[in-house]
Amino acid sequence: DTAVSQTPKYLVTQMGNDKSIKCEQNLGHDTMYWYKQDSKKFLKIMFSYNNKELIINETVPNRFSPKSPDKAHLNLHINSLELGDSAVYFCASSPRQGTEAFFGQGTRLTVV
Amino acid sequence: EDQVTQSPEALRLQEGESSSLNCSYTVSGLRGLFWYRQDPGKGPEFLFTLYSAGEEKEKERLKATLTKKESFLHITAPKPEDSATYLCAVGAEAGGTSYGKLTFGQGTILTVHP
Repeated sequence: DTAVSQTPKYLVTQMGNDKSIKCEQNLGHDTMYWYKQDSKKFLKIMFSYNNKELIINETVPNRFSPKSPDKAHLNLHINSLELGDSAVYFCASSPRQGTEAFFGQGTRLTVV
Repeated sequence: EDQVTQSPEALRLQEGESSSLNCSYTVSGLRGLFWYRQDPGKGPEFLFTLYSAGEEKEKERLKATLTKKESFLHITAPKPEDSATYLCAVGAEAGGTSYGKLTFGQGTILTVHP
């Protein structure tokens, strides 16, 4: 019974394509996030949503567009993929803003 | 802007050799300091939340402590299965510039040899 689940786990695609990553949490949390983890394992916030409302957008290119259809879901759509977008993307959720976050298993995106 | 710095970057221990990991932080109003464990190919796994200076939390061989400027993760008599990357993060109070997100350090890679 996975708490935070994201799909797909692996994504290999060509430059210029458009792709989406889906995330769902069954914890009843108010806040959801997208984090990017680079090759040095550093976790950097991309977006934060609270009750479906975007509250943080951290200097992410416009090619990245999050969407939260309801409190339990936060999807990430990426247009015109570039080589530099290759990374592991993590979805996470928190009971409230600024509290402990619970992470999904990650999506390893490889752009070729 | 809030900052989290972890040291050392990597730590190699022999089984049974106790040690500590450090997390130094600056935050505009600490709501919580969080420790995570991350295994290769997996998402970070939540370990502890510390809310105020002087607080301590324990779980098996791990003990986390907090001061006003730093947190320590003490590992007592580690085993090879404790090998992982340990991440520290802070959450800010409402009104702070970082409210709404967790700011992470770069992690400490712990390797415990049998």
